[in-house]
Amino acid sequence: DIQMTQSPSSLSASVGDRVTITCRASQGIGNYLVWYQQKPGKVPKLLIYAASTLQSGVPSRFSGSGSGTDFTLTISSLQPEDVATYYCQKYNSAPPTFGPGTKVDIK
Amino acid sequence: EVQLLESGGGLVQPGGSLRLSCAASGFTFSNYALSWVRQAPGKGLEWVSCINASGTTTYYADSVRGRFTISRDYSKNTLYLQMNSLRAEDTAIYYCAKGPSGYENYFDYWGQGTLVTVSS
Repeated sequence: DIQMTQSPSSLSASVGDRVTITCRASQGIGNYLVWYQQKPGKVPKLLIYAASTLQSGVPSRFSGSGSGTDFTLTISSLQPEDVATYYCQKYNSAPPTFGPGTKVDIK
Repeated sequence: EVQLLESGGGLVQPGGSLRLSCAASGFTFSNYALSWVRQAPGKGLEWVSCINASGTTTYYADSVRGRFTISRDYSKNTLYLQMNSLRAEDTAIYYCAKGPSGYENYFDYWGQGTLVTVSS
């Protein structure tokens, strides 16, 4: 099975900072990658699908890029409401594996 | 409005069984793939099982294959997860999640989850 890794596992940044999270697949997955945001005590929310397409209603400060094995999620200007854990997930084939998550908080 | 409402969680002894249900509304149930995803306390997300829109294809995580069975009832717009031979490591919140199409396995809507605790 394809394994998903994320880095860093956690980060702390200031409001207004640009934040980048990396997700790597152990084999190529094309652009079959999504990103979720899970705020503390809440249900995961889909942010980006097909590696770079913003889900409807998601603020434009979120963006995704990459293909093959290396992907990034960028928050262009971190806001207090962005405190959450971010997960990538591949969906090119079963099993649709999640990455271990990256916890983002405010410095 | 898409709604997914899980039920059936609770406390069960190791080796026991539970059946989870997910009542779906707000979309055409027969057109979309559905999955169960779980999250152990303080841990990350783990996909458990999925079923395609027609109910003809199912997949399972290695950790549950042979013990869990996913199914769907089109007359009730309900997704199920039959869980047998439960282990302590199955303790988690179980989410029902909807795919964006009949077969794609990522999730555009999630239920609120139901807690399963396996303990003696």
